Amino acid sequence: DAKTTQPNSMESNEEEPVHLPCNHSTISGTDYIHWYRQLPSQGPEYVIHGLTSNVNNRMASLAIAEDRKSSTLILHRATLRDAAVYYCILRALYNNNDMRFGAGTRLTVKP
Amino acid sequence: NAGVTQTPKFQVLKTGQSMTLQCAQDMNHEYMSWYRQDPGMGLRLIHYSVGAGITDQGEVPNGYNVSRSTTEDFPLRLLSAAPSQTSVYFCASSYSIVATNEKLFFGSGTQLSVL
Repeated sequence: DAKTTQPNSMESNEEEPVHLPCNHSTISGTDYIHWYRQLPSQGPEYVIHGLTSNVNNRMASLAIAEDRKSSTLILHRATLRDAAVYYCILRALYNNNDMRFGAGTRLTVKP
Repeated sequence: NAGVTQTPKFQVLKTGQSMTLQCAQDMNHEYMSWYRQDPGMGLRLIHYSVGAGITDQGEVPNGYNVSRSTTEDFPLRLLSAAPSQTSVYFCASSYSIVATNEKLFFGSGTQLSVL
């Protein structure tokens, strides 16, 4: 299974941009890159996903490296409500029912 | 919309007791799964189902049984609870079994303590 590597923790100041990195050097050509986040005492929630091109939605942006071996989740203006654990996950075409979460990155947002 | 509903929210068991964690979704999703999350760790996949009557094992299936008799429900059974099963359990669902761009919807979790 393709795996991802993320820093254990990151800090940001409120209203500043945050770049959360994810390495996935063994990604295959058909793997989608998904990001989820887990707020305290809640279940994970979907943030964004992409395949090759950069993606934007109302929550965040996803920048995918040209070789697809890494990606970055961008929160354009962090708020205190963005403090959460962020998970980068690969969803495989031929085993797409087996989504596995790593330990993720715990983001702390300072006022 | 209810989304993914898990019951109960909290449960305390004694070692050796059995119980069923309930999960229901009202979105007509084909795919459903169960995860456990231990303190300070990420989620680990226990079992999943790609449709009624079809289930498969994830990373940590031992000690758990599942069945999928309807599209809406995916209960998780602990036949003989052990302290190592103390964890927070999350149920998740997704619309399609084949589209790798489908997102997962999670329930709010069940906190289980086994004494």
